[in-house]
Amino acid sequence: TQLLEQSPQFLSIQEGENLTVYCNSSSVFSSLQWYRQEPGEGPVLLVTVVTGGEVKKLKRLTFQFGDARKDSSLHITAAQPGDTGLYLCAGAPGYQKVTFGTGTKLQVIP
Amino acid sequence: GAVVSQHPSRVICKSGTSVKIECRSLDFQATTMFWYRQFPKKSLMLMATSNEGSKATYEQGVEKDKFLINHASLTLSTLTVTSAHPEDSSFYICSARVGQGKNIQYFGAGTRLSVL
Repeated sequence: TQLLEQSPQFLSIQEGENLTVYCNSSSVFSSLQWYRQEPGEGPVLLVTVVTGGEVKKLKRLTFQFGDARKDSSLHITAAQPGDTGLYLCAGAPGYQKVTFGTGTKLQVIP
Repeated sequence: GAVVSQHPSRVICKSGTSVKIECRSLDFQATTMFWYRQFPKKSLMLMATSNEGSKATYEQGVEKDKFLINHASLTLSTLTVTSAHPEDSSFYICSARVGQGKNIQYFGAGTRLSVL
């Protein structure tokens, strides 16, 4: 079983601050996705990264895939209350079943 | 993005009854769908992989007779929780894999099951 460890587990910050969430594994992934989930809802896909070293931006969110494709990070600039939620990374070595990370619960305080 | 519809969003049932949850891909065909269970404040735990036209593949520790999965068409998979008990109360989420050669999943909104 491939494990995806996310850190930190919980994060509570003030509106306007920056933050970074990490997703680490000992396995190599062909692709990695990031999702955000709000309470009582299913996860919503934010981005997919496939190339080692790839950087993708989605407004104030910046996603990076590690050179060795074993890790990824999500950086949020000037966090807003609407960014509050559970952030999940997910990946699979190939076309196998996807493994989800342990999750990072973010709270942005107005 | 692709749309996955899950129904019902919430169900309350008595202990011993069976509950069926539907997962539909609305604008694409999905040969593979997945069923997850999520405990409060936890990540998603894969229960089983649902393959159209064949038997589902269950993860270790998941009772296949308890959680019946049927994937009768390319757009519909169902999960039936049989003889539900209070410990089956949870948030169940389905997803559908998009496209051949890609391992991207789109998720339903989830079903909150409460067994009394």
